[in-house]
Amino acid sequence: AQRVTQPEKLLSVFKGAPVELKCNYSYSGSPELFWYVQYSRQRLQLLLRHISRESIKGFTADLNKGETSFHLKKPFAQEEDSAMYYCAIPLYSGAGSYQLTFGKGTKLSVIP
Amino acid sequence: EAGVTQSPTHLIKTRGQQATLRCSPISGHTSVYWYQQALGLGLQFLLWYDEGEERNRGNFPPRFSGRQFPNYSSELNVNALELEDSALYLCASSLEEGAGQPQHFGDGTRLSIL
Repeated sequence: AQRVTQPEKLLSVFKGAPVELKCNYSYSGSPELFWYVQYSRQRLQLLLRHISRESIKGFTADLNKGETSFHLKKPFAQEEDSAMYYCAIPLYSGAGSYQLTFGKGTKLSVIP
Repeated sequence: EAGVTQSPTHLIKTRGQQATLRCSPISGHTSVYWYQQALGLGLQFLLWYDEGEERNRGNFPPRFSGRQFPNYSSELNVNALELEDSALYLCASSLEEGAGQPQHFGDGTRLSIL
């Protein structure tokens, strides 16, 4: 079955340490992939998308088709990075339609 | 630009009642999506509307329904409310249709069933 998986519910790192938020997917095509972020008391917002290949707030994400992963990385974590992070991928939902499917999210906590 | 707006912020109902949630997309956006965010379950896709038509629905019973108006705003209706319908309901909009388009989210409506 097609799915997107974020294996870690919670990830705690110290300020200044590298961060890697994992996202794995099962999909046979070449998907468009997204990372969304929700900071405390703010709405869910797009962080970055694979197709744009840009770095937002120091975060990057590389698509690894061999491992079917789209991990989110940042070399030096900041306290303001503490948030809930969701990986999202359009998955086939039948009748020729695709639907953006979210992982269950990883809560990143950056320890000062 | 004004973001996606949802109303009401909170809604309290009892079992068996009906609830109506409203969403106004970003100006110029034609696609509206509804999600349910229940505790521990992440975001579950509910419905997708584009140009006034339902384009896709998630794995939810028929008592979850909605519509999109000519001005692209949308309503989500939930009939015969059950306790497990208690959740945050998020609306999102996108400039173009298609699952590969970035979605912009509202703050949500928290629905509580007593």
